Amino acid sequence: DAGVTQSPTHLIKTRGQQVTLRCSPKSGHDTVSWYQQALGQGPQFIFQYYEEEERQRGNFPDRFSGHQFPNYSSELNVNALLLGDSALYLCASTLGSPGWTEAFFGQGTRLTVV
Amino acid sequence: AQSVTQPDIHITVSEGASLELRCNYSYGATPYLFWYVQSPGQGLQLLLKYFSGDTLVQGIKGFEAEFKRSQSSFNLRKPSVHWSDAAEYFCAVAMDNYGQNFVFGPGTRLSVLP
Repeated sequence: DAGVTQSPTHLIKTRGQQVTLRCSPKSGHDTVSWYQQALGQGPQFIFQYYEEEERQRGNFPDRFSGHQFPNYSSELNVNALLLGDSALYLCASTLGSPGWTEAFFGQGTRLTVV
Repeated sequence: AQSVTQPDIHITVSEGASLELRCNYSYGATPYLFWYVQSPGQGLQLLLKYFSGDTLVQGIKGFEAEFKRSQSSFNLRKPSVHWSDAAEYFCAVAMDNYGQNFVFGPGTRLSVLP
């Protein structure tokens, strides 16, 4: 059973560019959340997608946007990259139905903005 | 707003010694609390959680944690540390009613001496 998979694992972008990160949830999961983890810090919640809509959002600017596809996979888009956007971006998947289901995390995408 | 503090940035213990990692939270209602571990190059893995009931919860890999409402704490313990426990440990509080999205603490890095 494949867990949460993220691509790419690493990438380098130039300030001002745009980037798209991808996440495939664990089999059977329908909900995807994204986190930003700066070096030496804990992950910070960006947003969550359920039924192809943004269900909850953290304190991130509109430069951060996302999408969820009918197969439950998700993309995180960041426009007008800043040096401060350099971080590990983590994707987590779970079930959106009532009742608690453990959230599983991917290994992340390391984004470096130069 | 919810917040989590982990007073210890880095802890070093000898293999076989006991371990306690501290976590304090700020939350108005009864919190959903979690401990996650992150090994290098790995995603976050859930160690244990507290929702309600018995304030001493058992987790995987021999870890346990105790919820103390009066101290707003949820400290993680292990009676005998193994070299493979070296990793980054994050305490988290749920920011939604589903227990799926989290506010993480800054993390405690655990080093284990042979």
